Amino acid sequence: AQRVTQPEKLLSVFKGAPVELKCNYSYSGSPELFWYVQYSRQRLQLLLRHISRESIKGFTADLNKGETSFHLKKPFAQEEDSAMYYCAPYSGGHGSSNTGKLIFGQGTTLQVKP
Amino acid sequence: EAGVAQSPRYKIIEKRQSVAFWCNPISGHATLYWYQQILGQGPKLLIQFQNNGVVDDSQLPKDRFSAERLKGVDSTLKIQPAKLEDSAVYLCASRGHSWAGTKPYEQYFGPGTRLTVT
Repeated sequence: AQRVTQPEKLLSVFKGAPVELKCNYSYSGSPELFWYVQYSRQRLQLLLRHISRESIKGFTADLNKGETSFHLKKPFAQEEDSAMYYCAPYSGGHGSSNTGKLIFGQGTTLQVKP
Repeated sequence: EAGVAQSPRYKIIEKRQSVAFWCNPISGHATLYWYQQILGQGPKLLIQFQNNGVVDDSQLPKDRFSAERLKGVDSTLKIQPAKLEDSAVYLCASRGHSWAGTKPYEQYFGPGTRLTVT
């Protein structure tokens, strides 16, 4: 069964400290993985996608197939990073059939203290 | 561009009553999703539409939940009758092709409807 685990419900750090939000997945095949974020009073939105290997707002995430992990990292946390973060493996295609779906983890609340 | 719209934003009903939620996706988006997000949990997919056809409704409690997308644009999700455990935020999301001006792999979420069943 496809499953994603975010072991920490809450991660609290001080401003300027490094951050690592953990995500482990159990998946058949080669999943595509995403991190979604929800800031206070805002909509759930895409943060980053593992295939693009991009850095968004200073965050990066590396897919480790051996450990089946996709941890989200940032070297220096900022107060505006405080939000709920969801790891979400994706199954299915992106083509015209467009039948893929996301499976969300339970989420980790990141609290960055001043 | 306008985002995904949902209404109402909040709804309080008593158990055994009926309720309906409405979603208007981003223009041109063929794929529409309804999620249920119970407090403290991540969103759980209830149903996925491709245009006006159902792609996946495996986690929709069909004895009480129904959804439709008749013209392949707007969608409604209905609960009849509601139970206490249906209290949650109901999220609508849409996804399109690159020609729609959005990333084809990205789901765009609405603000959600917070349902409280008493």
